[in-house]
Amino acid sequence: GQNIDQPTEMTATEGAIVQINCTYQTSGFNGLFWYQQHAGEAPTFLSYNVLDGLEEKGRFSSFLSRSKGYSYLLLKELQMKDSASYLCAVIDSNYQLIWGAGTKLIIKP
Amino acid sequence: DTAVSQTPKYLVTQMGNDKSIKCEQNLGHDTMYWYKQDSKKFLKIMFSYNNKELIINETVPNRFSPKSPDKAHLNLHINSLELGDSAVYFCASSQAVEGTSPLHFGNGTRLTVT
Repeated sequence: GQNIDQPTEMTATEGAIVQINCTYQTSGFNGLFWYQQHAGEAPTFLSYNVLDGLEEKGRFSSFLSRSKGYSYLLLKELQMKDSASYLCAVIDSNYQLIWGAGTKLIIKP
Repeated sequence: DTAVSQTPKYLVTQMGNDKSIKCEQNLGHDTMYWYKQDSKKFLKIMFSYNNKELIINETVPNRFSPKSPDKAHLNLHINSLELGDSAVYFCASSQAVEGTSPLHFGNGTRLTVT
């Protein structure tokens, strides 16, 4: 079967750095997305990785290791508005998008 | 200038009723989707349309029927609503049918069946 694992919930402090991990076991791999979803709102696109390595976009970075079936989303200089769920999603060999259940990130002052 | 808009935002109805949710995108995308997000926040794809043609039809009861009059619209009609249909339904669109381009989501329709 296909599976995406993320921690259910994480807590971090305003101004700090947090790393949200995602491991996947899928039939093939054609890319990995990270989305942010605030409570009661729609998911919004954060990043896309298809090659190994780190992609940096402002305070957010996303890393991929295809050989390990592993990705992480790194959030720096945390702000209260970063409190949200972070969804990892993998494109499999049939170009179907497989979603993780999301990690709820709580930022404390 | 909303990219993907869906209506209504909230829908409260009784078991057995029939309801529709409308979705429109002005991004010029060829592919549109319906997703269901349950109380555990797990996103599950229901349907995918590319240029008005059905591409994906996951294991969804046939009480759910999508309709795409043109590539900018994908509506969802639900017959004989059941308690288990209560969830948030998201419409989305993307540029590529292969799923390698980001999804743009509508704001969701929170359906409550009583």
